[in-house]
Amino acid sequence: EIVLTQSPGTLSLSPGDRVTLSCRASQSVRSNYLAWYQRKPGQAPRILIYGASSRAAGIPDRLSGSGSGTDFTLTISRLEPEDSAVYYCQQYGSSPLTFGGGTKVEIK
Amino acid sequence: QVQLQESGPGLVKPSETLSLTCTVSGGSISNYYWTWIRQPPGKKLEWIGNIYYSGSTNYNPSLKSRVTISVDTSKNQSSLKLDSVTAADTAVYYCARGAGWLPESWGQGTLVTVSS
Repeated sequence: EIVLTQSPGTLSLSPGDRVTLSCRASQSVRSNYLAWYQRKPGQAPRILIYGASSRAAGIPDRLSGSGSGTDFTLTISRLEPEDSAVYYCQQYGSSPLTFGGGTKVEIK
Repeated sequence: QVQLQESGPGLVKPSETLSLTCTVSGGSISNYYWTWIRQPPGKKLEWIGNIYYSGSTNYNPSLKSRVTISVDTSKNQSSLKLDSVTAADTAVYYCARGAGWLPESWGQGTLVTVSS
């Protein structure tokens, strides 16, 4: 199975900062079928990005995904207080589907 | 907007069967994949498996011998059964829906603890 490794584990940033989250796969993700999710306490996880770079419905354009093969990135161009959450990457190109360990983003 | 709600016992005894239901509101169960995912405390999210509304299933090999996922289109529900549970099956369990294998809409999750 494909192992996804996310880094860093935790980030503490200020509103307005630019943040880059990394997701590295142990082998190439078929067709770049890589998604990013946001999870806040007590809420359902929300899909942000699919296909490595396509934004899901209703996701603001200050969030963007990039990458291919084994290296993927989620970028938030201008951090807002509402972005405080844990972010997960997931590959859905190969069975079993697998997830990264998550990056926690804290707002100062 | 579709909403998914997981329900079931929050406490299950070791060696027994864990049974959860995902009820869908604001949308149909038809023409979608229904996925179950779990996250044990302090561990990664784990894909359990999925089912197409027509009944075709796919399971994680690590759980395949113990898991059954089903759908009931008349009740707009998906169900998860996990046999012979141990403490290692303690986790928050999520159901999710997607047009394909990608889980797009998720429920809030429900905590299931395995303990005597």
